[in-house]
Amino acid sequence: SQQGEEDPQALSIQEGENATMNCSYKTSINNLQWYRQNSGRGLVHLILIRSNEREKHSGRLRVTLDTSKKSSSLLITASRAADTASYFCATVAYSGAGSYQLTFGKGTKLSVIP
Amino acid sequence: EPEVTQTPSHQVTQMGQEVILRCVPISNHLYFYWYRQILGQKVEFLVSFYNNEISEKSEIFDDQFSVERPDGSNFTLKIRSTKLEDSAMYFCASRTQGYGYTFGSGTRLTVV
Repeated sequence: SQQGEEDPQALSIQEGENATMNCSYKTSINNLQWYRQNSGRGLVHLILIRSNEREKHSGRLRVTLDTSKKSSSLLITASRAADTASYFCATVAYSGAGSYQLTFGKGTKLSVIP
Repeated sequence: EPEVTQTPSHQVTQMGQEVILRCVPISNHLYFYWYRQILGQKVEFLVSFYNNEISEKSEIFDDQFSVERPDGSNFTLKIRSTKLEDSAMYFCASRTQGYGYTFGSGTRLTVV
């Protein structure tokens, strides 16, 4: 399986602090994506990092990818209460016959306390 | 920004009934997907669809499930005879030739 596995499963921080979530996966990937999901709501795409990239930024988000360790991290700086959500990493890999498959991890539940 | 639209947002159905979940992918996207998320669990792949046929499906996608793209804009997931364990959030997604997936906001299916 090439599913991502995030840790920690749950993270609680004070507003203004940084939040770091990690993801590990098992096989070669084409790219890795991070999604946010507010409780009971849809999946919001946050950022995509390709297998030949090591770091990417988007606003307060910073993603790193280490393909040698098959791991990625998502850093949210200066967290806000509105960042409270579940965060999922998802790996994209070629699955044959022109198809790519997106496989999700179990997610990290982030709580930002005002 | 273009969106993937799913309807209904919430559907309650009796066990054994057929349900159809509807999705309108982004118009120039070529690849279409259904995923599901049982409450509190991870998002699971069900099926991918390209060039008017299923390109890949998971073990979850058994004979009770089917997908269609009937008119070039809608993409539907049908569950023929719902079971209690089909209760979940169902997400539709689409993408172009590149890698970025756009997900809809989901349909919450409750089987009673």
